[in-house]
Amino acid sequence: EAEVAQSPRYKITEKSQAVAFWCDPISGHATLYWYRQILGQGPELLVQFQDESVVDDSQLPKDRFSAERLKGVDSTLKIQPAELGDSAMYLCASSFGRNQPQHFGDGTRLSIL
Amino acid sequence: KNEVEQSPQNLTAQEGEFITINCSYSVGISALHWLQQHPGGGIVSLFMLSSGKKKHGRLIATINIQEKHSSLHITASHPRDSAVYICAVRSSGGGADGLTFGKGTHLIIQP
Repeated sequence: EAEVAQSPRYKITEKSQAVAFWCDPISGHATLYWYRQILGQGPELLVQFQDESVVDDSQLPKDRFSAERLKGVDSTLKIQPAELGDSAMYLCASSFGRNQPQHFGDGTRLSIL
Repeated sequence: KNEVEQSPQNLTAQEGEFITINCSYSVGISALHWLQQHPGGGIVSLFMLSSGKKKHGRLIATINIQEKHSSLHITASHPRDSAVYICAVRSSGGGADGLTFGKGTHLIIQP
């Protein structure tokens, strides 16, 4: 089991609904990443946090996606409203600092019906 | 064109064979990662390297910065090595340092 905790492991919901994912990084890791992996593709960065601040969210579809890390520890990624194309694996990773190895969670597999 | 290209996309080999997976990238990088992803999604970091060669058990990773190319080798392959192997790079530009990933190489080792 990964040291980076993510929940839920699986989520099935209908389009137009709201969905939220949670990530608890390794203790002491200041940098946190959210990635999206579409089936058959490599992951793509959605957002990067350094402590509680967003470092990069240029690839985050901000009309429907939001991410927060209010206390600089755990993080939540939200989609509202969900669309069929959002079906993917959502991966969280953390690292001690920038330019350090990233440790990945087991991911949340999202299916939109 | 993807910034990170891997080959082959799929590879099936017999147990014991020497395996090579290649990765080419088109941007300046500060580091290159090799990752392993098993069915179910979990990703494990195998190597992070910026020059030369690293070895861990039966796995060897090399990188040639001038040629923008890296290889992952598996010696004495075993069915438990079956997984998707992903190459990812961190750009050397300033600012954010999220990884850019290749599409992965799906490896199957048959007994």
